[in-house]
Amino acid sequence: DAKTTQPPSMDCAEGRAANLPCNHSTISGNEYVYWYRQIHSQGPQYIIHGLKNNETNEMASLIITEDRKSSTLILPHATLRDTAVYYCIVRGPNSGYALNFGKGTSLLVTP
Amino acid sequence: DSGVTQTPKHLITATGQRVTLRCSPRSGDLSVYWYQQSLDQGLQFLIHYYNGEERAKGNILERFSAQQFPDLHSELNLSSLELGDSALYFCASSGSLGGTIYFGEGSWLTVV
Repeated sequence: DAKTTQPPSMDCAEGRAANLPCNHSTISGNEYVYWYRQIHSQGPQYIIHGLKNNETNEMASLIITEDRKSSTLILPHATLRDTAVYYCIVRGPNSGYALNFGKGTSLLVTP
Repeated sequence: DSGVTQTPKHLITATGQRVTLRCSPRSGDLSVYWYQQSLDQGLQFLIHYYNGEERAKGNILERFSAQQFPDLHSELNLSSLELGDSALYFCASSGSLGGTIYFGEGSWLTVV
């Protein structure tokens, strides 16, 4: 599976947009970009995923570059409850569709 | 609530013992995944079952085994437990092989 690179930590002020970057330069054509988050040892929570088009749901937006080598997760109006570790994961058939978690980005939303 | 149920939530056992962790996937989900999360290793993929068959193995020790039953629930068996096996064990499920994966709240295992 393609590896991902994320900054280890980020800060964001409450109410502002949080933009979390992810590099996945070796992604294959049949691999999706998934985002999960984990709040303090709770089960990882699915956020959003995409193949090549930008995606939006009630939680977030996912922007994937045209060459698919990087993506950005956008939380449009961050709240204190969005403080969590965010994982960008490339997922495909080569790993049996398992999610292989890296170290993620620890996002701290401050008042 | 993801719909994935794990039992027990907490378990304390002694070194050398054997434990079984149980997972009920979301209704109708055919895929079950097991993960281990320890402080120093992060979230590690252990094994994946699809409709009763093993599909993929990750960093699963030989002392660990899993199975998925005809009713689709799954069990993770951990034997000859060591202190280093203390971790949070997550089960996750998806409806299809490539479907979105949803995680349970985990089983905390402490080996003393």
